[in-house]
Amino acid sequence: DTGVSQDPRHKITKRGQNVTFRCDPISEHNRLYWYRQTLGQGPEFLTYFQNEAQLEKSRLLSDRFSAERPKGSFSTLEIQRTEQGDSAMYLCASSSGQGGNSQYFGAGTRLSVL
Amino acid sequence: QQQVKQSPQSLIVQKGGISIINCAYENTAFDYFPWYQQFPGKGPALLIAIRPDVSEKKEGRFTISFNKSAKQFSLHIMDSQPGDSATYFCAATGHNFNKFYFGSGTKLNVKP
Repeated sequence: DTGVSQDPRHKITKRGQNVTFRCDPISEHNRLYWYRQTLGQGPEFLTYFQNEAQLEKSRLLSDRFSAERPKGSFSTLEIQRTEQGDSAMYLCASSSGQGGNSQYFGAGTRLSVL
Repeated sequence: QQQVKQSPQSLIVQKGGISIINCAYENTAFDYFPWYQQFPGKGPALLIAIRPDVSEKKEGRFTISFNKSAKQFSLHIMDSQPGDSATYFCAATGHNFNKFYFGSGTKLNVKP
């Protein structure tokens, strides 16, 4: 399967711990997005990379959140000092930026902060 | 402030009927309006998208109607099938595609 891959699928952590998620986009896609989705809501934009450059970051994003995309391939999203309010599904999407810019989403990482 | 407002929150339609989901936006800089379908445990999948220079786009049983002056767009699912039962999201972004805003979703249930 050459779709967007996210790891892990599920993460349970205790409040105050740091967590890191990984996203492997479709190989030729230069655009990569991170979203957060809570139950019954639509995806909420977190950040956007074009190749290795982080071009957009939500103002709502706490400085406990950081994302990287070294070499413009896979990306990681780290949450430091997790809080119960961080519990959500974290989605990654990638696109080629061509034509209609179709975003392809991964299945997400579900984070539960106890 | 929610950039894209979606309604209804949930929808029940009989098999063969038409499902209609509506979205409204305020930002006139938005330039691309996609619709996504999401099944439980999966990420959203692009269904169909439209740009504001056309008023309607059809792909199979799915049609987007776009009203630029009213800043509204809607998804019509013709001949709805039980397999269409899912959550649907509208979204919007500007011309550089740097940031997408999603609606809150509509949970569609198509009864056999």
